[in-house]
Amino acid sequence: DAGITQSPRYKITETGRQVTLMCHQTWSHSYMFWYRQDLGHGLRLIYYSAAADITDKGEVPDGYVVSRSKTENFPLTLESATRSQTSVYFCASSLKVDGANVLTFGAGSRLTVL
Amino acid sequence: GQNIDQPTEMTATEGAIVQINCTYQTSGFNGLFWYQQHAGEAPTFLSYNVLDGLEEKGRFSSFLSRSKGYSYLLLKELQMKDSASYLCASVDSNYQLIWGAGTKLIIKP
Repeated sequence: DAGITQSPRYKITETGRQVTLMCHQTWSHSYMFWYRQDLGHGLRLIYYSAAADITDKGEVPDGYVVSRSKTENFPLTLESATRSQTSVYFCASSLKVDGANVLTFGAGSRLTVL
Repeated sequence: GQNIDQPTEMTATEGAIVQINCTYQTSGFNGLFWYQQHAGEAPTFLSYNVLDGLEEKGRFSSFLSRSKGYSYLLLKELQMKDSASYLCASVDSNYQLIWGAGTKLIIKP
């Protein structure tokens, strides 16, 4: 299916474990993003990527690692999960619409760290 | 610092009109977005304003005043399906999005 897909949709893990959230887009958009969404906060940017092999930190990168070996994939890894990383994670890609760089989001990955 | 303010929650009646306000303070300004997010779902794009004035799209309109650092989203002829959170996001000088915490809109019959 065309679009942006995230997996897994739901994940429960334990403190200290490594977790990888997958993101795949079929549009060949250059820019991709990872956000986390927590109650009482706006979406917060973790990492973004302008193209394959180009990644950059966002507002809250600590504890996360990303890679982008192929344009269509942008996985997010929590190397050693902490309870504070319990959140809903959204992957997005950017499309130009009437001059604006509009984000299209995946369905989200809800992560619980026990 | 950079800051986006919008009300936490609003309630309106089906068929009525509601205005959701957003004030922003960002380093530079390159436009303002409104997104809609239904509970448990991803945000979806509603509107983008970069010039002052009102942009109308069907039942939804968005207004921007750059001099006042202010925007609003106007929803007319409210329907139950409009119950959602509405996210305001400003584009700063680095073309990064700064997001508000969202306004949860509750529609009552």
